[in-house]
Amino acid sequence: DSGVTQTPKHLITATGQRVTLRCSPRSGDLSVYWYQQSLDQGLQFLIQYYNGEERAKGNILERFSAQQFPDLHSELNLSSLELGDSALYFCASSARDRYNEQFFGPGTRLTVL
Amino acid sequence: AQSVAQPEDQVNVAEGNPLTVKCTYSVSGNPYLFWYVQYPNRGLQFLLKYITGDNLVKGSYGFEAEFNKSQTSFHLKKPSALVSDSALYFCAVRGNSGGYQKVTFGTGTKLQVIP
Repeated sequence: DSGVTQTPKHLITATGQRVTLRCSPRSGDLSVYWYQQSLDQGLQFLIQYYNGEERAKGNILERFSAQQFPDLHSELNLSSLELGDSALYFCASSARDRYNEQFFGPGTRLTVL
Repeated sequence: AQSVAQPEDQVNVAEGNPLTVKCTYSVSGNPYLFWYVQYPNRGLQFLLKYITGDNLVKGSYGFEAEFNKSQTSFHLKKPSALVSDSALYFCAVRGNSGGYQKVTFGTGTKLQVIP
């Protein structure tokens, strides 16, 4: 158990819909990262927050957005969903310093029908 | 821009034999290097990291990795493979040249240990 929690574990929805994925980082970790993993694209970095502020952006679509709240939990919002958005979405957290490893949550499996 | 290359999509090794999973990187300044493992339907788990110091880094489950600055490589190794080592392995790098630099992951290498 990494100490990172993600809800829900599974999500099935239809094209055009909007969903919210939630992540709680390890106790004391200020950084939260979001990743998308699909069979054809591999592990794609989406976005990172540090103590409530956006820190880095990766291959995140404009239809996707995220935020980190004062209690440090984070949410990833996916809107106007397409079939191709079906994937595993991982959240990870790390302590402050750049040499610290990331701890990954169990993921949310999103299926868009 | 920093990058990580894992040249092999899959590595097959017989149980009990030594294994190597390759990783090369490109980054500004000195690198911070990481290996992660992913078992089916699970999140990635941290295995080991190189920050500074001894080029041979020991990690979890008997794995080790050797940092080679001249070859910009950080290959993952284990003296004797177990069937339970079969998983997806990711190499990652973060630069250390000042300013903020994100972590970049490789595309992953599937390790298959054959009984």
